[in-house]
Amino acid sequence: DIQMTQSPSSVSASIGDRVTITCRASQHIHNWLAWYQQKPGKAPKLLIYAAAYLQSGVPSRFSGSGSGTEYTLTISNLQPEDLATYYCQQADTFPLTFGGGTKVEIK
Amino acid sequence: QLVESGGGLVKPGGSLRLSCAGSGVTFRDFYMSWIRQAPGQGLEWLAYISSSGHVTHYADSVRGRFTVSRDNAKNSLYLEMNSLRADDTAVYYCARDPQTGDGYTFDLWGQGTLVAVSS
Repeated sequence: DIQMTQSPSSVSASIGDRVTITCRASQHIHNWLAWYQQKPGKAPKLLIYAAAYLQSGVPSRFSGSGSGTEYTLTISNLQPEDLATYYCQQADTFPLTFGGGTKVEIK
Repeated sequence: QLVESGGGLVKPGGSLRLSCAGSGVTFRDFYMSWIRQAPGQGLEWLAYISSSGHVTHYADSVRGRFTVSRDNAKNSLYLEMNSLRADDTAVYYCARDPQTGDGYTFDLWGQGTLVAVSS
């Protein structure tokens, strides 16, 4: 199985800051990497697919990058509504696997 | 939208059948998955079924105990869960794969249904 390691597990940042979350896969996943946002008590929401493509309706302050085994989600200009937990997911091979999550808190 | 139902309290060793009803979507055209989240924990993918229902994949943690199926005529997805254990306690989500050719991702999720396994 492909293991997905996310870091950090939590981050505290101020409004307007840039936040970067990293996801490392245990083997190459050919850019088949998705990022989700989950707010408390809600279902996850797809933000980024294929490592770098913004899902329709998602604000442009969210961006994804990376290749091979290393991928990054960046939130530029952090907003209060970005308080959430973010998960990466390898979309390459079954069994599909998620990272452990990164909780973003607002200072 | 997707709406799950069928969750509840069940004793260890018991069975439960979850349903996921699709409305406003062309259900039969999409691959579907079940994903769960234990209390305070992360996301765990469990099962996938092709649009026709002929192809399925499972996580090792549920293979042989859980069965995914679908009835496209009823716009419904199911998860039959047997031999339930305490560590199956979680919120269970159904989710749609948009099939954009960009890997197996999930662009539409239900609100989730809670399954609690306890004596």
